[in-house]
Amino acid sequence: RKEVEQDPGPFNVPEGATVAFNCTYSNSASQSFFWYRQDCRKEPKLLMSVYSSGNEDGRFTAQLNRASQYISLLIRDSKLSDSATYLCVVGYQAGTALIFGKGTTLSVSS
Amino acid sequence: EPEVTQTPSHQVTQMGQEVILRCVPISNHLYFYWYRQILGQKVEFLVSFYNNEISEKSEIFDDQFSVERPDGSNFTLKIRSTKLEDSAMYFCASRGTGETLNTEAFFGQGTRLTVV
Repeated sequence: RKEVEQDPGPFNVPEGATVAFNCTYSNSASQSFFWYRQDCRKEPKLLMSVYSSGNEDGRFTAQLNRASQYISLLIRDSKLSDSATYLCVVGYQAGTALIFGKGTTLSVSS
Repeated sequence: EPEVTQTPSHQVTQMGQEVILRCVPISNHLYFYWYRQILGQKVEFLVSFYNNEISEKSEIFDDQFSVERPDGSNFTLKIRSTKLEDSAMYFCASRGTGETLNTEAFFGQGTRLTVV
């Protein structure tokens, strides 16, 4: 079974806030992990890949816990432009399906 | 920057008609996908394609659906007899080169299919 679960939110935060999103996946054979961002009625776009040791890209930090089958995304110093839906995506064997969570909606207000 | 392109951006069709959605993946990618997203719902996997054959398909991808890579550049999704519930945004994606297969997928801008 291949499932990816996310808290749908919405998360409503003021500018400058720190917000964290969580994701769990069901298949322990998962090999690749990503956070995508989707704006309304647009295609998903890669935000960042998630590596076993954790990784950071500017204000964004991703963590992976393989033992707990858990992925997180931390956004620091939220900007208005961060308002979007954040999609947790998990891959299995190369070339097979990338499975999407339902997404977590973030709304950043001034 | 290389990108995945999809045509048309919007297609309206009558129930029961056949539609073909077209995609041009990134040229050196090896894996190709179709996903759909019904309005307000999650992105759902339909099918993956590698080495000129289907490598995986979901329960959604029944006999009404087929995929082709007819000429080495285009990647098409055909729906033989459309139903109202086929109305959705359809995304094409590609990923993976010879060196790095487990990379992220790049998505096209989507084709919005409306079945009336």
